[in-house]
Amino acid sequence: AQSVAQPEDQVNVAEGNPLTVKCTYSVSGNPYLFWYVQYPNRGLQFLLKYITGDNLVKGSYGFEAEFNKSQTSFHLKKPSALVSDSALYFCAVRAPTGANNLFFGTGTRLTVIP
Amino acid sequence: SQTIHQWPATLVQPVGSPLSLECTVEGTSNPNLYWYRQAAGRGLQLLFYSVGIGQISSEVPQNLSASRPQDRQFILSSKKLLLSDSGFYLCAWTPNRGRVTGELFFGEGSRLTVL
Repeated sequence: AQSVAQPEDQVNVAEGNPLTVKCTYSVSGNPYLFWYVQYPNRGLQFLLKYITGDNLVKGSYGFEAEFNKSQTSFHLKKPSALVSDSALYFCAVRAPTGANNLFFGTGTRLTVIP
Repeated sequence: SQTIHQWPATLVQPVGSPLSLECTVEGTSNPNLYWYRQAAGRGLQLLFYSVGIGQISSEVPQNLSASRPQDRQFILSSKKLLLSDSGFYLCAWTPNRGRVTGELFFGEGSRLTVL
């Protein structure tokens, strides 16, 4: 069975500093990995995904994520954080065949301090 | 372009009352449709998904049911609400044909408070 872990409930970072939001996964076979962002009382917005190819994936709003197969990780990164990046971030995994749905982590609340 | 709509956006209902949340998708055909629940602003739990009209898969036993009366319409229902049904309900879709790239597209959510 597939699963996703986000070890940090909360991440605080100063504006302008680099940010990292951690995610590790467990899945049989090659994974499909995703990051979503959620602003208060809103639906989830897709940021980026890894299916195959280059381990460094670039997405929306300047975010990127690095797929590391040996560490089963898919950490979200941004070189310079903005106050507007403050939100709830979810990592998700989907099995490459059969399953139609995503399994989500418990979320990490990112706060960017001005 | 494709859009997804959920309504109502907020709902306050007494315990024991019925529930109907609706979700429609525009600009695509034969989508996969999903209902997720988010409790306490955190993790998402998949409740139901559907790959076609009248085809519903339930992921967890619960007080809720889902129906898909039309290709792009997905309804979440309950005959009698419980306090534990309170939460933020999210509808999502993904293409069901062609190159499936995997990401889900979410609606804006429906916040249900059961009193």
